[in-house]
Amino acid sequence: KQEVTQIPAALSVPEGENLVLNCSFTDSAIYNLQWFRQDPGKGLTSLLLIQSSQREQTSGRLNASLDKSSGRSTLYIAASQPGDSATYLCAAYMEYGNKLVFGAGTILRVKS
Amino acid sequence: DGGITQSPKYLFRKEGQNVTLSCEQNLNHDAMYWYRQDPGQGLRLIYYSQIVNDFQKGDIAEGYSVSREKKESFPLTVTSAQKNPTAFYLCASSMPSGQTGELFFGEGSRLTVL
Repeated sequence: KQEVTQIPAALSVPEGENLVLNCSFTDSAIYNLQWFRQDPGKGLTSLLLIQSSQREQTSGRLNASLDKSSGRSTLYIAASQPGDSATYLCAAYMEYGNKLVFGAGTILRVKS
Repeated sequence: DGGITQSPKYLFRKEGQNVTLSCEQNLNHDAMYWYRQDPGQGLRLIYYSQIVNDFQKGDIAEGYSVSREKKESFPLTVTSAQKNPTAFYLCASSMPSGQTGELFFGEGSRLTVL
């Protein structure tokens, strides 16, 4: 079964700290991997999309890396702020079955 | 502004009733998707459409139906056959299809069965 796992399920950090969110996928044959942010009761906002041929993508204080061979992606958030508090989801587009598989998300709380 | 509009934001339904959730996009995207989100779980795909007048079942299509008569619109009907319809429903679109395209989401519709 193709699965995407996100660890930790929840994370609480003080403001200003750098942090890493982890995403692992069981099948290394993927087309791309996407990171999203979801605020309570809202839809998902796309943060970064990494194609299978890429190793990383950066947007402002966010950096996402992809290691297909080990089935892992990380989302690095620099100098965290209270406004970063949200649920972060990753999703891998699997070659087999041609489908997007989502992780359950990491709930991030940044304390001021 | 370009985006995806879902309506209604909140919907209450009595058991045995069918309800239709609207999804409209002005991004000129070919592909559209419906997902269901339950607490503590990843999003699960209900139906998707890669082109007008064509759609395919996702992982949990039972009890749901869709249509794609226009490129901009992809409504989802939750039928009385859906055994546990209370959930948060998310519509998304991408251009091109998901293999290389970035996925964009609407704000969601929360359905509660009374």
